[in-house]
Amino acid sequence: DAKTTQPPSMDCAEGRAANLPCNHSTISGNEYVYWYRQIHSQGPQYIIHGLKNNETNEMASLIITEDRKSSTLILPHATLRDTAVYYCIVSPGNSGNTPLVFGKGTRLSVIA
Amino acid sequence: NAGVTQTPKFQVLKTGQSMTLQCAQDMNHEYMSWYRQDPGMGLRLIHYSVGAGITDQGEVPNGYNVSRSTTEDFPLRLLSAAPSQTSVYFCASSYSMRQVNNEQFFGPGTRLTVL
Repeated sequence: DAKTTQPPSMDCAEGRAANLPCNHSTISGNEYVYWYRQIHSQGPQYIIHGLKNNETNEMASLIITEDRKSSTLILPHATLRDTAVYYCIVSPGNSGNTPLVFGKGTRLSVIA
Repeated sequence: NAGVTQTPKFQVLKTGQSMTLQCAQDMNHEYMSWYRQDPGMGLRLIHYSVGAGITDQGEVPNGYNVSRSTTEDFPLRLLSAAPSQTSVYFCASSYSMRQVNNEQFFGPGTRLTVL
């Protein structure tokens, strides 16, 4: 079973920030938080990952709470092309050969 | 680089038939895996491999076989197709599971229907 909890769906107005929450209250000290997205029937695409510090790249920002029990993926200026299912995953990263386990994710709809 | 390629894109089988879904990557990735995705669901891991000659089972391995004779290829075999195996199959690869930034690259998927 996935170790994360995400809302099944969210809406966001085009041009506004999309804030996607993820709860991972049982995360272990060596586990990272990864975000992927899947745009309509395509293969999932990596977005960002983090351990305990906030991270930013050209696609998104990842905010992880101090207790690491939850995180938020932020798309600063959502476009219609950001409409997708977003998956939050926790995984040990470099501590072993542990595959990624996907949950059901959050379906984000960006509305014009 | 072509990335991760999958063939065929679409396939229709009759119950009891066998077939092999092909997956190849040209990025010299150690790690490869197969997922299936049923309508409205997330991805479920079938099998994975951390290197040539090494495979392991995921969440839903029954009815599927894999082998990894080369770094580049990771075929998925359906032994005797059943309607419950109707799904979209995604292959993925990453450089190594032993590093933090193990970004996984996914193929475009194979859409399989079993009648």
